[in-house]
Amino acid sequence: DTGVSQDPRHKITKRGQNVTFRCDPISEHNRLYWYRQTLGQGPEFLTYFQNEAQLEKSRLLSDRFSAERPKGSFSTLEIQRTEQGDSAMYLCAIRASSTDTQYFGPGTRLTVL
Amino acid sequence: SQQGEEDPQALSIQEGENATMNCSYKTSINNLQWYRQNSGRGLVHLILIRSNEREKHSGRLRVTLDTSKKSSSLLITASRAADTASYFCATGPSGGYQKVTFGTGTKLQVIP
Repeated sequence: DTGVSQDPRHKITKRGQNVTFRCDPISEHNRLYWYRQTLGQGPEFLTYFQNEAQLEKSRLLSDRFSAERPKGSFSTLEIQRTEQGDSAMYLCAIRASSTDTQYFGPGTRLTVL
Repeated sequence: SQQGEEDPQALSIQEGENATMNCSYKTSINNLQWYRQNSGRGLVHLILIRSNEREKHSGRLRVTLDTSKKSSSLLITASRAADTASYFCATGPSGGYQKVTFGTGTKLQVIP
């Protein structure tokens, strides 16, 4: 158990639909990250939150993507007008304050048909 | 973009043998982490080594770091079938928000 849960674990949607994923750290962590992983590749950074502030966004995060962390606890990642190229595993991670270790949730696997 | 590259891309060994995976990276780092990922699952953190450390052990794992060569290696001794997974190195930068940058991974198969 990494202390991070993600919901849903799997999502199948049709092209053009909107989807929203949720990340819930079990305990308070002020640093939260989203990554995307496509088949056969390592995860790629999408965005970073410190408390509720979104401090960094990757160029991978197009205008169709938006992430929030309204109260500095859970976070959501929304993809609007999904495309087949959005099919991937979306991973959330928290960073332990005492070390630089990032702990990952189980991920949400998105399939866009 | 991927910062690191793991070598080899795939490795198949017999149970009981040692497995060595290498990681090379491009920019200066604060730390380097190794993760394991079972097929279709999330990432499990294995070990973190800081830029001022040269070697670290955890159970059957041994990690080395050579910052002059910008490379690291992960050694798994006395491998088990349960070690079958993909292994990724991830580098944490010297500054910034500590987003880790992952390599492309080594797929390890341990044959019982």
